[in-house]
Amino acid sequence: QKEVEQNSGPLSVPEGAIASLNCTYSDRGSQSFFWYRQYSGKSPELIMSIYSNGDKEDGRFTAQLNKASQYVSLLIRDSQPSDSATYLCAVKNRAGSYQLTFGKGTKLSVIP
Amino acid sequence: DADVTQTPRNRITKTGKRIMLECSQTKGHDRMYWYRQDPGLGLRLIYYSFDVKDINKGEISDGYSVSRQAQAKFSLSLESAIPNQTALYFCATSDPGNSYEQYFGPGTRLTVT
Repeated sequence: QKEVEQNSGPLSVPEGAIASLNCTYSDRGSQSFFWYRQYSGKSPELIMSIYSNGDKEDGRFTAQLNKASQYVSLLIRDSQPSDSATYLCAVKNRAGSYQLTFGKGTKLSVIP
Repeated sequence: DADVTQTPRNRITKTGKRIMLECSQTKGHDRMYWYRQDPGLGLRLIYYSFDVKDINKGEISDGYSVSRQAQAKFSLSLESAIPNQTALYFCATSDPGNSYEQYFGPGTRLTVT
């Protein structure tokens, strides 16, 4: 069973702080990794994708991937109340599959 | 206009009724997916389709069927709805390129009483 694990939270951070969201996955052959943001009652919105080890930055967001540790994280700098949402980690498993396995999400609350 | 649309957005139906949820996309993507989301269980894949002639079962296909009427349209049917099919249903699409990124529609909130 391929699994993607996230701490459900809630993770509370003050406005302006760095929010750190973590995700681990069980399939060592996983190749592609995604972070989605989901506001309550809304659909998941893709915010970051990462395919190779290291960091990938996009504005206030940085995704970090460590395949040896089977660990992917999302950092949100200068957190804003509008960042309050549930963040879903998704993993594409081995070659030949186009399915994504989603974690259950971490709820982030940014306190003004 | 939204790239991925779903109809209806909300639906209340009774146990035993047949219901169809529809998804249309203008992104030109070949691959389409149906998920359901339940509190505490996350997103789970019901069916997916790589083209009009290719339909595949996902993790939780029992009690559901799908139809890919065209590249841009993918419908999900509940043949005989039951209360534990009450959930938020999402359609998603992806490009056949190497990115594997999936893009979601706005969702349908289905309640079975």
